[in-house]
Amino acid sequence: GIQVEQSPPDLILQEGANSTLRCNFSDSVNNLQWFHQNPWGQLINLFYIPSGTKQNGRLSATTVATERYSLLYISSSQTTDSGVYFCAAAPSGAGSYQLTFGKGTKLSVIP
Amino acid sequence: DTGVSQDPRHKITKRGQNVTFRCDPISEHNRLYWYRQTLGQGPEFLTYFQNEAQLEKSRLLSDRFSAERPKGSFSTLEIQRTEQGDSAMYLCASRETGSGSGELFFGEGSRLTVL
Repeated sequence: GIQVEQSPPDLILQEGANSTLRCNFSDSVNNLQWFHQNPWGQLINLFYIPSGTKQNGRLSATTVATERYSLLYISSSQTTDSGVYFCAAAPSGAGSYQLTFGKGTKLSVIP
Repeated sequence: DTGVSQDPRHKITKRGQNVTFRCDPISEHNRLYWYRQTLGQGPEFLTYFQNEAQLEKSRLLSDRFSAERPKGSFSTLEIQRTEQGDSAMYLCASRETGSGSGELFFGEGSRLTVL
């Protein structure tokens, strides 16, 4: 099955700093999503981005499908950005759109 | 649109007992997925439905796990004879088909603790 690798596994930032999270995947995809898992465990949708670039406020994401990677940018980080960020991908052609998740990046933003 | 709803949010049970989790997807979403997440890991896929048909169940962890979606709306995930290793967060997700978007939406999860 598809492999999804995220880096770095842990990241500590000073409030106000910028960061880039990376997701590599092993096959072509028909679905790629970024999530933020809140302290209660819910997965909050950030981006649905199987290709291209999207922006939402201080967050933006880019997926280069031909090179099989995606990047999540967080600018002017805030303490509320802390938590675990997951990338998940579904391989093209499977039809099921079932997502395989990476192990996540744990982000800590300190004041 | 009330989002994906899961119940109960927390369940504590003794080893050997049966437990059942319920998931209500976003209305008109005909695809429904179950995932399990253990501490420090990403969610792992278990099974999924299109309407009432269970299209993939080979990833269910053992024959103690079963899921159904009898009327194509809500779904249940049952674990029989629970073991301590079943302690985890059980997540449900749904998506609509035919819209061109493959985006999945997750519920808040049901956290299981087996004593």
